[in-house]
Amino acid sequence: DIQMIQSPSSMFASLGDRVSLSCRASQGIRGNLDWYQQKPGGTIKLLIYSTSNLNSGVPSRFSGSGSGSDYSLTISSLESEDFADYYCLQRNAYPYTFGGGTKLEIK
Amino acid sequence: EVQLVESGGGLVKPGGSLKLSCAASGFTFSDYYMYWVRQTPEKRLEWVATISDGGSYTYYPDSVKGRFTISRDNAKNNLYLQMSSLKSEDTAMYYCARGVGPFDYWGQGTTLTVSS
Repeated sequence: DIQMIQSPSSMFASLGDRVSLSCRASQGIRGNLDWYQQKPGGTIKLLIYSTSNLNSGVPSRFSGSGSGSDYSLTISSLESEDFADYYCLQRNAYPYTFGGGTKLEIK
Repeated sequence: EVQLVESGGGLVKPGGSLKLSCAASGFTFSDYYMYWVRQTPEKRLEWVATISDGGSYTYYPDSVKGRFTISRDNAKNNLYLQMSSLKSEDTAMYYCARGVGPFDYWGQGTTLTVSS
């Protein structure tokens, strides 16, 4: 199985900060990597698919990059609604596997 | 508007069975692969099952293979997850999700607790 390691597991940041979250796979996943956001209350939303494609309706301050086994999600200027949990998912091969998540908290 | 509404969760004893449902609306259900994903109390997400658009193909991780069965009724726009031989480690919030590759829409989840 492909293991997905997200870092950091939690972080504090301020409004307006630029932050990058990391996701590393135990082997190359050919860009088949998505990012999801979960807010308190549980709703899960697709942000970025296939490494760098912004899902419809997602603000342009979100971006994704990476290749091989290393991927990142960047938020260019944090807004209050961005404080949430973020998860990566590899769907390059079954079993699909998620990272452990990054909790983004307000400083 | 795409909507996915899960139901059927509850409290079950170890070794028991339960069937979850997901009612889909706002899109052509039969055009999409569908998925079940669960979130443990520790907030870890785990993919649980995939079913192809026509229902011919299904996929499971080893953790549930042989115990869980995903199915769908395209005439009723419903997705199902039949779970048996339940274990305490199956305790989680269960989400259904629509797939076009990525999981682009998720339901709000239904909770399963396995405990004696």
